[in-house]
Amino acid sequence: EAGVAQSPRYKIIEKRQSVAFWCNPISGHATLYWYQQILGQGPKLLIQFQNNGVVDDSQLPKDRFSAERLKGVDSTLKIQPAKLEDSAVYLCASSFVVAGGPGNEQFFGPGTRLTVL
Amino acid sequence: GQSLEQPSEVTAVEGAIVQINCTYQTSGFYGLSWYQQHDGGAPTFLSYNALDGLEETGRFSSFLSRSDSYGYLLLQELQMKDSASYFCAVHQGGKLIFGQGTELSVKP
Repeated sequence: EAGVAQSPRYKIIEKRQSVAFWCNPISGHATLYWYQQILGQGPKLLIQFQNNGVVDDSQLPKDRFSAERLKGVDSTLKIQPAKLEDSAVYLCASSFVVAGGPGNEQFFGPGTRLTVL
Repeated sequence: GQSLEQPSEVTAVEGAIVQINCTYQTSGFYGLSWYQQHDGGAPTFLSYNALDGLEETGRFSSFLSRSDSYGYLLLQELQMKDSASYFCAVHQGGKLIFGQGTELSVKP
């Protein structure tokens, strides 16, 4: 089966510019996650969707970050305007179920490496 | 709040056994997972413990003690390809909270 797809793989922008990332989860996975991973750190959850509804966005900097998951499949994450500290890898993941059981294995995409100059 | 602690670096030789510890403080604990991430790659799932005890999957085993808020990942018969970062992650409700990661270097 196809894995989680993300694009672009790399993006370089200047501060105050806008950027958008796209994610296509594994077919049939209801839950989709966006993580930010700063170099040398673990992934930090930004937002979690269950189908097309937001389950958790408590750590999303809502003044500059936004995300949507229309039709409960693909998702986009946008940053507007970008800051230097947004330089990181943005990972998308999906899972079949939400509950904290063995079925909650998350499958990660290759990520988008963002550099803000 | 929540916190996870794991060693930042571990070095071992090929064929050896290494244990990576993880201690956590969190509310609403459902279980502990381990993920492997090679440099420049995506995290991949290794194991999950919801109950106390040892789970074995090939060369990898994972242990959990809920009363001690402690777990570990045991890697046996180390191979060069095991050089990677290993993250423990707490399941809190429907989300994962990751530790800072342990960078494992396997030497010949």
